[in-house]
Amino acid sequence: EAQVTQNPRYLITVTGKKLTVTCSQNMNHEYMSWYRQDPGLGLRQIYYSMNVEVTDKGDVPEGYKVSRKEKRNFPLILESPSPNQTSLYFCASSPRAGLNNSPLHFGNGTRLTVT
Amino acid sequence: KQEVTQIPAALSVPEGENLVLNCSFTDSAIYNLQWFRQDPGKGLTSLLLIQSSQREQTSGRLNASLDKSSGRSTLYIAASQPGDSATYLCALNQAGTALIFGKGTTLSVSS
Repeated sequence: EAQVTQNPRYLITVTGKKLTVTCSQNMNHEYMSWYRQDPGLGLRQIYYSMNVEVTDKGDVPEGYKVSRKEKRNFPLILESPSPNQTSLYFCASSPRAGLNNSPLHFGNGTRLTVT
Repeated sequence: KQEVTQIPAALSVPEGENLVLNCSFTDSAIYNLQWFRQDPGKGLTSLLLIQSSQREQTSGRLNASLDKSSGRSTLYIAASQPGDSATYLCALNQAGTALIFGKGTTLSVSS
């Protein structure tokens, strides 16, 4: 089944403890992206990747890192999480960079709580 | 900066009604517009994608329209069902690198 898989679905951690949220897609998509969703603010892009080894900042990249060493995986890394990073995170992918002709496919989300 | 507004924020209708969800945007220079559905605790599911050169797209009971000149899109749902209850989000592709989302309309269809 074609899908975007995020892990874990739920994560509770403490301030400053490094964590990684994994994202994997099995559709050979070029484009991948991370969003966070917060009440009243909606969905905002954190980072995106047009292809392997190509990543760039979105609207809210502070406090996050990403890597794209292989096409299928796009992990989100929080080196030193803080409470303001408590949010619902979504990974998404699309067949081609540019997003012109194909919809964005989303994972089921990771709910992160930082205490 | 592009702003995407969805009105109303919440809508309750009885089963069987036809309804329209609205999305407005401030900059008409877009590549395409997508409508998504989000169920509680779940990810987003793409419903319809309209290219900037198109006026509308249809899928089953759903019809989405796009009027770039007025900065508006609508999602029409025919014969609503309780299973349509969800949050509906519109999103614009403006620069080819990200979608800019509205905050959504939460729809509740009662049986």
